[in-house]
Amino acid sequence: EIVMTQTPLSSLVTLGQPASISCRSSQSLVHSDGNTYLSWLHQRPGQPPRLLIYKISERFSGVPDRFSGSGAGTDFTLKISRVEAEDVGLYYCMQAARFPYTFGQGTKLQIK
Amino acid sequence: DVQLVESGGGVVQPGGSLRLSCAASGLAVNTHYINWVRQAPGKGLEWVSVMYKSGNTYYTDSVKGRFTISRDSSKNTLYLQMNSLRAEDTAVYYCARDRYCSGGTCYAGGAFDLWGRGTVVTVSS
Repeated sequence: EIVMTQTPLSSLVTLGQPASISCRSSQSLVHSDGNTYLSWLHQRPGQPPRLLIYKISERFSGVPDRFSGSGAGTDFTLKISRVEAEDVGLYYCMQAARFPYTFGQGTKLQIK
Repeated sequence: DVQLVESGGGVVQPGGSLRLSCAASGLAVNTHYINWVRQAPGKGLEWVSVMYKSGNTYYTDSVKGRFTISRDSSKNTLYLQMNSLRAEDTAVYYCARDRYCSGGTCYAGGAFDLWGRGTVVTVSS
């Protein structure tokens, strides 16, 4: 099983300032088809998760461009260029390169 | 509207069974990759199972031999039959579609773009 490790687990950010979350996988996430299946999701309390980023850096429809993803192999990053109040909640990375799919532990983003 | 709606959760004793349903509208379950993901109280997300549009199925190790994913195309519904339930199966269970589109073709690749609101399963004596 691929273990996904997120850092930090908690982040306190001032409105308008950037935020960054790191996700490291225990194995390469390059699939046999050549794609790297690393996604980022956001979850607010009491709500289902919603997709932000897929395939490392592809922004899902309707996701603001202040969200960006980067990385390769085993190291990946989600960046928020300017945090807004609606960005609070939990952020998860997820790999779908190999079964079983696995998630990171989650990073809690709060506003300072 | 395109949506997934889960149902079937409840309270069950250890060793008991439940069948969860994921009813789809605006999409055909047999033309998509649809997953079950669960979230224990206060915990993170855990992938449980997927059914490919081909009918192939995959499971996380902790549920293999106990859970079975299936679908009924005539009802446009995906199911998760859960047997031999344990306390650690207590969670909110979500169904989620895996799909991204590129150049007019759609694929699966960890892009869980559509989620239901979840159904709560509690395993307790």
